[in-house]
Amino acid sequence: AQSVTQPDIHITVSEGASLELRCNYSYGATPYLFWYVQSPGQGLQLLLKYFSGDTLVQGIKGFEAEFKRSQSSFNLRKPSVHWSDAAEYFCAVGTGNQFYFGTGTSLTVIP
Amino acid sequence: KAGVTQTPRYLIKTRGQQVTLSCSPISGHRSVSWYQQTPGQGLQFLFEYFSETQRNKGNFPGRFSGRQFSNSRSEMNVSTLELGDSALYLCASSLVLAGENEQFFGPGTRLTVL
Repeated sequence: AQSVTQPDIHITVSEGASLELRCNYSYGATPYLFWYVQSPGQGLQLLLKYFSGDTLVQGIKGFEAEFKRSQSSFNLRKPSVHWSDAAEYFCAVGTGNQFYFGTGTSLTVIP
Repeated sequence: KAGVTQTPRYLIKTRGQQVTLSCSPISGHRSVSWYQQTPGQGLQFLFEYFSETQRNKGNFPGRFSGRQFSNSRSEMNVSTLELGDSALYLCASSLVLAGENEQFFGPGTRLTVL
């Protein structure tokens, strides 16, 4: 069965530090891959997506993610975190038939 | 282009009542999906509608139902409300089938069941 795993439930980083959020998926083929961000009480906003081609994708707000087929991973990175990045981050996989979300990683940014 | 809109934004109901939530997708989008989000269970898929037909359904009881109209607007209905139905209900629209493209989310409807 298809699944998406975000192993880190909560991460705390200092403002200005680098960030990496992990995402692993289980699917027989290469899926469509997404990262979404959700601020408290709000809907989800798309940060970036991977469909094919270059495995390093750039998104909004200075985020990037790298698709590694051999590791079935799609980790999200940002070189320097801002206080406004504090939010919940969801990795998602589209298999053509359905959309699957990870359980989310809550990011706290300390000054 | 206007984004996905959901009405109402907030609802308070009592146990046993029923509720209808509405979602207007982005113009031109034909797929609408619904999700329930709670602190304990995270994002859970309810169902997806495409061209007025339910394509996929999550693991929810029959009290949860939905429909899609010819203009792609969608409604979700929950009958005989239970305390555990308190959640943020998110609607997402997609140009084509969900799973083949990114989904765009509305702000959600916060349902509180007393």
